[in-house]
Amino acid sequence: DARVTQTPRDKVTEMGQEVTMRCQPILGHNTVFWYRQTMMQGLELLAYFRNRAPLDDSGMPKDRFSAEMPDATLATLKIQPSEPRDSAVYFCASGIGQGGTTEAFFGQGTRLTVV
Amino acid sequence: QKEVEQDPGPLSVPEGAIVSLNCTYSNSAFQYFMWYRQYSRKGPELLMYTYSSGNKEDGRFTAQVDKSSKYISLFIRDSQPSDSATYLCAMSQGAQKLVFGQGTRLTINP
Repeated sequence: DARVTQTPRDKVTEMGQEVTMRCQPILGHNTVFWYRQTMMQGLELLAYFRNRAPLDDSGMPKDRFSAEMPDATLATLKIQPSEPRDSAVYFCASGIGQGGTTEAFFGQGTRLTVV
Repeated sequence: QKEVEQDPGPLSVPEGAIVSLNCTYSNSAFQYFMWYRQYSRKGPELLMYTYSSGNKEDGRFTAQVDKSSKYISLFIRDSQPSDSATYLCAMSQGAQKLVFGQGTRLTINP
């Protein structure tokens, strides 16, 4: 049963600490998205990659957030330093983007709490 | 103003009712329209996918797209308590990023 795997599922950290979230996309998918979900803003796109190359990271605060794909089986999202306003659920999604649209398959999310 | 607008609800209806969920959008370049369902503490899952204007039916679910009005709808017939979830519309221009609505929280009461 192919699925997107995210770790950790829950993370509580103190303000100022570095946070790293990991995502294993579905094998064969060439597009990876990072979304953040809050009650107030809903799902916001932070960044997305196609064939491991970043295509759009305009939704990401550049001074503290970074997203990478060291290889086709791993995507990472880092926050350094973390702030209480970063508390949210972070979702990774993967899909196949070629020609038509990219249907995104979501992981279970990482629930981040910064205190 | 957001590119995609969706009433967050909450929406509460009795079991068996017909549910209508809607989104409006401002970007006329959107061509692909989707509906995702999200249960509590889970990731969104794709429910319906439509290209351009028209209707698409899948069991109790019907998706409608009216590009001239920039308006999309999802209808749920014979609603069940298991349909209780948050429903998110999403849209894109070809193989580009998906833009989501805020989601409508739906409760079906037995």
